[in-house]
Amino acid sequence: GAVVSQHPSRVICKSGTSVKIECRSLDFQATTMFWYRQFPKQSLMLMATSNEGSKATYEQGVEKDKFLINHASLTLSTLTVTSAHPEDSSFYICSAAPTTVATNEKLFFGSGTQLSVL
Amino acid sequence: GENVEQHPSTLSVQEGDSAVIKCTYSDSASNYFPWYKQELGKGPQLIIDIRSNVGEKKDQRIAVTLNKTAKHFSLHITETQPEDSAVYFCAAVPNTGFQKLVFGTGTRLLVSP
Repeated sequence: GAVVSQHPSRVICKSGTSVKIECRSLDFQATTMFWYRQFPKQSLMLMATSNEGSKATYEQGVEKDKFLINHASLTLSTLTVTSAHPEDSSFYICSAAPTTVATNEKLFFGSGTQLSVL
Repeated sequence: GENVEQHPSTLSVQEGDSAVIKCTYSDSASNYFPWYKQELGKGPQLIIDIRSNVGEKKDQRIAVTLNKTAKHFSLHITETQPEDSAVYFCAAVPNTGFQKLVFGTGTRLLVSP
């Protein structure tokens, strides 16, 4: 099946620093990727939709200057948490849908990144 | 917008028993209903899905049923095994794309040996 690789799986950083998370589709191309945030024992909340070659679309309440998204190729999207603070600590997950299938057919998730900001 | 309710929030069964998780949705425009299994510290894994033009789909020990009229769909796991223990999420997606995907609140399934 389709594989979405996400790195790093875990990162600990100091408050005020920036952290970059990578999301790669390994065996398919994805025009669109999605970034989610998940708090303990809660469901996934969509943060933004990443579109290859264009600006990301952010959900209401998500600061675009705080969570920078770059989708430079059909297989790679990155999320950078800028000037991270303890309240940004969370589990971040990306997902991707193969470009060759219909708009809502098959969505695959990365393994997630646990961010801890000290 | 779409609202997906999922029950129960926790479910404990003995190994070999069946487990059923139920979801309801509100938006009749939703036409794709995936189910995901999430193990601790990992991303969700698609385990089965169903489209609105199908009433039931089965894959080995896992089956999903959809009642489009009542707007509810269910996940059925038979002959449960300890490795089935995880959090399961249902979701509803309209034909406009995954940016409108709405997850249920999750069900923590515990299968005891």
